[in-house]
This record gives sequence, structure tokens and C-alpha cells, in this order.
Amino acid sequence: QSALTQPASVSGSPGQSITISCTGTSSDVGGYNHVSWYQQHPGKAPKLMIYEVNNRPSGVSNRFSGSKSGNTASLTISGLQAEDEADYYCSSYTSSITYVFGTGTKVTVL
Amino acid sequence: QVQLVESGGGVVQPGGSLRLSCAASGFTFSSYVMHWVRQAPGKGLEWVAFIRSDGSNKYADSVKGRFTISRDNSKNTLYLQMNSLRAEDTAVYYCAKDRNWAFWYWGQGTLVTVSS
Repeated sequence: QSALTQPASVSGSPGQSITISCTGTSSDVGGYNHVSWYQQHPGKAPKLMIYEVNNRPSGVSNRFSGSKSGNTASLTISGLQAEDEADYYCSSYTSSITYVFGTGTKVTVL
Repeated sequence: QVQLVESGGGVVQPGGSLRLSCAASGFTFSSYVMHWVRQAPGKGLEWVAFIRSDGSNKYADSVKGRFTISRDNSKNTLYLQMNSLRAEDTAVYYCAKDRNWAFWYWGQGTLVTVSS
């Protein structure tokens, strides 16, 4: 199972919106709504930000939103803040009854 | 509150074995699917394996036949037996609690280093 494709880096100024893409295939992202997104700060464990494409766990800021079109899922961070600077990973359930993560995106707040 | 605490990491020679543990608390452990996810130094996340409440499981191709996931619901503990270890297995290993096909809670991780 190949990793889902994400841009290596995305940057934005405070207050701006950015979008991170996550491209897979019809056997993972395109075939199921079981897409989730994780934020990871250096040296820390990942934190769930979005599940089932566009659902936020309790306590996650509504500045984070998710969507999906075809084989590509997206995470949008609006009103970018300094604390959003981190690595972000998407994940999807697959037709092989396994899971696959994205390649990861480093978000930089300028 | 949900708590996951991994242990058992360390330095092991290539071809060696190691068993990781993940002690769970704050939820009904026996009712949930549990995962192992790893992260090589400076690299991305890689899903390793999951186990359902009934003990059925699934593995990533990279570890199939070498790693075994298990659970002891009476001890609220998840395990990962790692055999025939290779340098490329060097990583921080996280256990994670599943819900809605997502990794909802993560432990702090335990570092496994495979080196001679």
C-alpha cells in the first residue's frame, strides 16, 4: 500500500487560510469516508483533528475543516495562528482492510 | 480520561526480538479496536497493525510474518511482539485507540532502535 500523497510544505501568514491536499486512489480515499487528519508538533504524539472526512472531535478549533472530492481529501485551516505550525498527516481506511497515512505536510506560519 | 502508556522499547541487534506493551486506562479497553503506528526518525507515520476486540487482526505488508499484535483484555494491555527485526524497523512506536476508523487517542510512544 503506497502512502497517500501530500505536499511537503505549505505556508501562510497569520490570519490567512491554507489548504492541504491528500491524494489517494479509489481503493482508499475515494472509496470510503474514513479519512482523518492529524496534527503533530515536534517531539509530540499526533493529535486527531478531523475524522470521517469532515467531523471535528470535541475541543478541536472550528478553524479546522475537512472535505473530499473523488480521490482527494483536503484539510483547511482558516485564521492561521502561530500555534498551527506543525506537521499534518492524513489517513484513510483501505479496501484491503488496512490503513494508510499520507506523506505529511509541514505547515509554516510566516 | 483516556490514557495509553507504551513500554518495552530499547536497542536490539538486527535479527533480534522485542515485545512492546501498551497499558490502557480510562475506557472499556475490551470494546475497542487498537492499533500500533510507528514513525522512523525524521520520517512520517506508518500504520503497523490493528486488533479487534475479538482478537482478529491485520498487518501492514512491511511487518507481516514478523510482528504479532495481541491483547489481554483482563489486563487492559495491548502488545506487539517484534521478531526478525531489521534496521528499517527503527522507529518510535505508538499505540492508538480506534473510533470511527480514526486514531482518537495516542500514547507518548516508545523508541525501538535496531542496530549492531
